Amino acid sequence: QKEVEQNSGPLSVPEGAIASLNCTYSDRGSQSFFWYRQYSGKSPELIMSIYSNGDKEDGRFTAQLNKASQYVSLLIRDSQPSDSATYLCAPSRRGSTLGRLYFGRGTQLTVWP
Amino acid sequence: DTAVSQTPKYLVTQMGNDKSIKCEQNLGHDTMYWYKQDSKKFLKIMFSYNNKELIINETVPNRFSPKSPDKAHLNLHINSLELGDSAVYFCASSHKGGSGANVLTFGAGSRLTVL
Repeated sequence: QKEVEQNSGPLSVPEGAIASLNCTYSDRGSQSFFWYRQYSGKSPELIMSIYSNGDKEDGRFTAQLNKASQYVSLLIRDSQPSDSATYLCAPSRRGSTLGRLYFGRGTQLTVWP
Repeated sequence: DTAVSQTPKYLVTQMGNDKSIKCEQNLGHDTMYWYKQDSKKFLKIMFSYNNKELIINETVPNRFSPKSPDKAHLNLHINSLELGDSAVYFCASSHKGGSGANVLTFGAGSRLTVL
């Protein structure tokens, strides 16, 4: 089992603030990185993917990757109460292990109005 | 609706029983998975099938047996249920190749409670 560590929650931020979610991983063979969002009682859904070092922006979401530090993060700008959910980090290798995602335990985010 | 659908959504049963969870996807994906999410919300892969062929089999007790009659269906049969099997079981699917292989579409989950 590959280790994926996420900052322990719950994380609570006011509406309009920036929420910062962090993730470190142990498998240096990881080449693709994914953030899934899971609302309480629902199934996970993919919100961001990043494959190269640096930043990737999609709307209010920015994923940051530093493979040398084995670190990936997700920033949510202008946080909304609808962003309240658990965010799961999932690194993955290429090749025969395609589709085998090792999820972190998730960080629970609460955005209060 | 295009989706991953799994049944039943809730399953309550006694220890020692045998139960099955069914999953179907109409997304045209090649690969299907079973993931288990425990009470601490830890989501862990159990099995993966590609075109009816088993490609991932994590360390799962032999009491768990997946079956894929075709690439659109992946069922999970559990024998001799134990208390520790209580969890939410998610079915998921994806394309096999390229970056799409890691874009999983999950079903709504099946909450299994073993008494």
